Order: sequence, then structure tokens, then C-alpha cells
Amino acid sequence: DSGVTQTPKHLITATGQRVTLRCSPRSGDLSVYWYQQSLDQGLQFLIQYYNGEERAKGNILERFSAQQFPDLHSELNLSSLELGDSALYFCASSAGQGRYNEQFFGPGTRLTVL
Amino acid sequence: AQSVTQLDSQVPVFEEAPVELRCNYSSSVSVYLFWYVQYPNQGLQLLLKYLSGSTLVKGINGFEAEFNKSQTSFHLRKPSVHISDTAEYFCAVRAHSEGAQKLVFGQGTRLTINP
Repeated sequence: DSGVTQTPKHLITATGQRVTLRCSPRSGDLSVYWYQQSLDQGLQFLIQYYNGEERAKGNILERFSAQQFPDLHSELNLSSLELGDSALYFCASSAGQGRYNEQFFGPGTRLTVL
Repeated sequence: AQSVTQLDSQVPVFEEAPVELRCNYSSSVSVYLFWYVQYPNQGLQLLLKYLSGSTLVKGINGFEAEFNKSQTSFHLRKPSVHISDTAEYFCAVRAHSEGAQKLVFGQGTRLTINP
């Protein structure tokens, strides 16, 4: 158990819909990262937040957005869903931005778009 | 920008045999290197990391990896595998820059251990 929790574990929805994935980082960790794992693209970095502020953006679609709240939990919002958005979405957290900065991964949310 | 190539998508081996999973990377800046393991229906777990110093790093579950800067490689090895090592293994890099925290992953290598 990494200490990072993600909810829900599974999500099944239809094209065009909007969903929210939730992540609670390890106690004390200030950074949260979102990654997408799909058969086509593999594991890709989406976005990073540090203490409530966006720090880095990867290949995140405009239909996707994220935020980190004052209690440090984070949400990833996916809208106008397409079949190709079906994937495993991982959240990871780390203590800060220092050199020895291990990212601890949650169990993931499996999104299926029908 | 960084990229990671895992040279084998699948590696089948017999139990108690040695195994090597190959990883090459490309980067215009210095990087940290990692190997993660993903067991079925689970998240990613860090096996080992290279930050600096000795190029041979040891990780959990008897795995080790060697960083070769001239060949830009970071191959993962285990001298004797067990059924429980069946999983997907990911090589990843991260730039040294303080501002660049993202991990760049390879496509993964599925290790299957046969009895």
C-alpha cells in the first residue's frame, strides 16, 4: 500500500459524458501527478500540481482539467468523453520538488467509455 | 525532451533462470533513471532508482540494474526469477531539472515466468 488513494476504482460511462476522478496523496506530500495508461499510448504524464498550483503539463487534452485543493487532494475532470479516453488513470504523489523525489503511485481508476 | 525504449515487449523465462530486461533512453540533459513494476490489477511500485554514484544499483526483490552512460542504457537483471515476479516492468527517466518532475516511461516489458 503506497498511501495514495484513488476513487472510484472503476468507472463505466458513455461517450459525451463528464467524469471526475479523485486522488488523495500520501500524508504530507505536496505534489500530485496524473498519468494515463492506455494500450495505444502507454504510460503518459498528464499534469502536476504542487501545493495547489499547476507546475507542469504534459499531453493533456483540452477536454481534461485538474485541480488541487487546499487539503491537497486532487481531482481530474474529463469531459466530452470519447471511446479513446478509455484507460487506466494513475495519481502519484511526492513530498516536494527536491532531488530525491520518489513518486508513489495509487492503484488507479479504470475508465471505460462505451 | 526524453524518450525511453524498452527493447522487448514480452520476455518469457523459466523459474529460477536469470533474466535481463533491456532499457535504452535518449535525453539532451542529464536524467535520473527508474524501474517500476506493475503487478496485475495494481498500481506501479518502485523497484530501484539511479540518482548518482555507483552505476550498479540494487533494488527490492533481488533486482539490480546497471547505468551505462556511454550506451545510454539501464538494463534490469535478476539472477534467479520466481513465479511471483510475473508482472509488467517499466523503465522511466526524469530530467535533473528542478522544474521538470514528470516521469517519462517506456512501453513496458511483460515478464512471464514459466514453471
